[in-house]
Amino acid sequence: GQQVMQIPQYQHVQEGEDFTTYCNSSTTLSNIQWYKQRPGGHPVFLIQLVKSGEVKKQKRLTFQFGEAKKNSSLHITATQTTDVGTYFCAGLGDTGNQFYFGTGTSLTVIP
Amino acid sequence: DSGVTQTPKHLITATGQRVTLRCSPRSGDLSVYWYQQSLDQGLQFLIQYYNGEERAKGNILERFSAQQFPDLHSELNLSSLELGDSALYFCASSRGQVGYGYTFGSGTRLTVV
Repeated sequence: GQQVMQIPQYQHVQEGEDFTTYCNSSTTLSNIQWYKQRPGGHPVFLIQLVKSGEVKKQKRLTFQFGEAKKNSSLHITATQTTDVGTYFCAGLGDTGNQFYFGTGTSLTVIP
Repeated sequence: DSGVTQTPKHLITATGQRVTLRCSPRSGDLSVYWYQQSLDQGLQFLIQYYNGEERAKGNILERFSAQQFPDLHSELNLSSLELGDSALYFCASSRGQVGYGYTFGSGTRLTVV
């Protein structure tokens, strides 16, 4: 079945440093979504990417979909303590009808 | 409040028992998804319903079953519970069948003792 892997699994950064998490799929994806789950909370939808090479920005967050549509990244500039949480990517395969979630990257921001 | 309502929030039960988790999707959403999240684990897809019909199955055990009712709420039934079934169970909903962002409920934390 479709597998979506994320690296790193954990990341600790000093407040103000940048952070990047990478998402890799074993198969081509038609869509990819990103979610954030705060500690003790539920996943919250952040964004969806559809086009090859697409780049979208939300304030300090930059999302990118790879040219081959098999990988994606989320970059946070100048992290803040409010960025703490686990970031999940979720990929939709070409023949699938539901998203498979990646393993997640847990971000800790040290004040 | 995300608009997706899950009940109960917490459930403690003994091994071998049967429980039912309930989910009311966000108003207007036709798709309902169930996910299992164990401690420090990712989100494991269990099953999807769209407008009352099963659309996709993931790693759902035979001891588990689900359904979506005409009013679009969904129930996840877990039977012959084992210690390893202890987890957070999330319901999510979306507008359409494919390609829409998911809105998650706050989850049901199941503890099997």
